[in-house]
Amino acid sequence: DAMVIQNPRYQVTQFGKPVTLSCSQTLNHNVMYWYQQKSSQAPKLLFHYYDKDFNNEADTPDNFQSRRPNTSFCFLDIRSPGLGDAAMYLCATSREREAFHEQFFGPGTRLTVL
Amino acid sequence: AQTVTQSQPEMSVQEAETVTLSCTYDTSENNYYLFWYKQPPSRQMILVIRQEAYKQQNATENRFSVNFQKAAKSFSLKISDSQLGDTAMYFCAFAGAGSYQLTFGKGTKLSVIP
Repeated sequence: DAMVIQNPRYQVTQFGKPVTLSCSQTLNHNVMYWYQQKSSQAPKLLFHYYDKDFNNEADTPDNFQSRRPNTSFCFLDIRSPGLGDAAMYLCATSREREAFHEQFFGPGTRLTVL
Repeated sequence: AQTVTQSQPEMSVQEAETVTLSCTYDTSENNYYLFWYKQPPSRQMILVIRQEAYKQQNATENRFSVNFQKAAKSFSLKISDSQLGDTAMYFCAFAGAGSYQLTFGKGTKLSVIP
């Protein structure tokens, strides 16, 4: 089945230690998104790739970076995680960027910062 | 900026009964899309139903239907014949027609009781 896969499902890191979260898709979609979802809060868009073009949201901290080496994979890098970065990180894809196109979500990676 | 409000943090319903989840939104746009997403425990978020603002007819998908009141900026989700598998977090979301960005509400946690 075509899907969005996130690895690992659970990630523990230490305060200030860089961490990378992974997302892959078999849908061959043009757009890949990263959301941060804190407990009892709405998912918040961090950035997205449209093909190779990176689009950062205005309020996304510089501590968060992303890479998309090819159509299938996208990575979220947190350079120096703080306690406030503990959250669920959701990857999503869509065929095109327009709102009409459904976003398909992965199961998320729950990040714990010690 | 758009906002989405879900006023019911938690709800419960007996199996086979009907439940309605509320959502209101605020926007100055005339053309947009509204969505309900379902996030089961430890599983990925999936699209339940989508409504295009320029369509007056309410969207329906099997047991799921919406009551879209454009003037009131209200978009409620009705789940008929509730099943145990409907237990999940439900998010209402908004996207402007020309936008890629989903604005989510904080979610309603629905529990279906046997």
